[in-house]
Amino acid sequence: QQQVKQSPQSLIVQKGGISIINCAYENTAFDYFPWYQQFPGKGPALLIAIRPDVSEKKEGRFTISFNKSAKQFSLHIMDSQPGDSATYFCAALSGNTPLVFGKGTRLSVIA
Amino acid sequence: NAGVTQTPKFRILKIGQSMTLQCTQDMNHNYMYWYRQDPGMGLKLIYYSVGAGITDKGEVPNGYNVSRSTTEDFPLRLELAAPSQTSVYFCASSGQTSGGGDTQYFGPGTRLTVL
Repeated sequence: QQQVKQSPQSLIVQKGGISIINCAYENTAFDYFPWYQQFPGKGPALLIAIRPDVSEKKEGRFTISFNKSAKQFSLHIMDSQPGDSATYFCAALSGNTPLVFGKGTRLSVIA
Repeated sequence: NAGVTQTPKFRILKIGQSMTLQCTQDMNHNYMYWYRQDPGMGLKLIYYSVGAGITDKGEVPNGYNVSRSTTEDFPLRLELAAPSQTSVYFCASSGQTSGGGDTQYFGPGTRLTVL
């Protein structure tokens, strides 16, 4: 069954801290792993994505770490800011099939 | 470019009524999708389309219908609305298959309540 398991469901981080959200998958055919960010009242928007041929991808304060053998990938937000408070979705895809989304993590960054 | 636009933004329906959620994209994308988002349940795919005249079921298609007569438009039809269809509905589009790494662009959503 195509499924992506995301944890935690919610996360509270102090300003300046590191936010870490984890995802796990079973389908070894998945070959594209994006993260989407959603602010309240808005649609999700692509934040960062990775393919399984690399173990890490960094864009500014956002990093995806990918562990192919463990079938896990995670999003790290360094120096978390109140403006990062949002819901984050991991997703996965194989071939021509539509994206499979995790259930989301609600991040709150407090000052 | 306006991107992906959805109308209406909000709607309240009575049980048994029907309505059409409109979605239009101006990016000439082949792929379009409809999702519903329930609190704490993430995004569930209702229907998707790989091009004009071609549609396919997603994870939760029951109670919904779609059509794709043009590249730009992908309306979602609710027949005989039920309280279980209370949700936020998002339309999205992408240039190619998402497997090619193309970004899915989401609309602002339609908040539907069925009473």
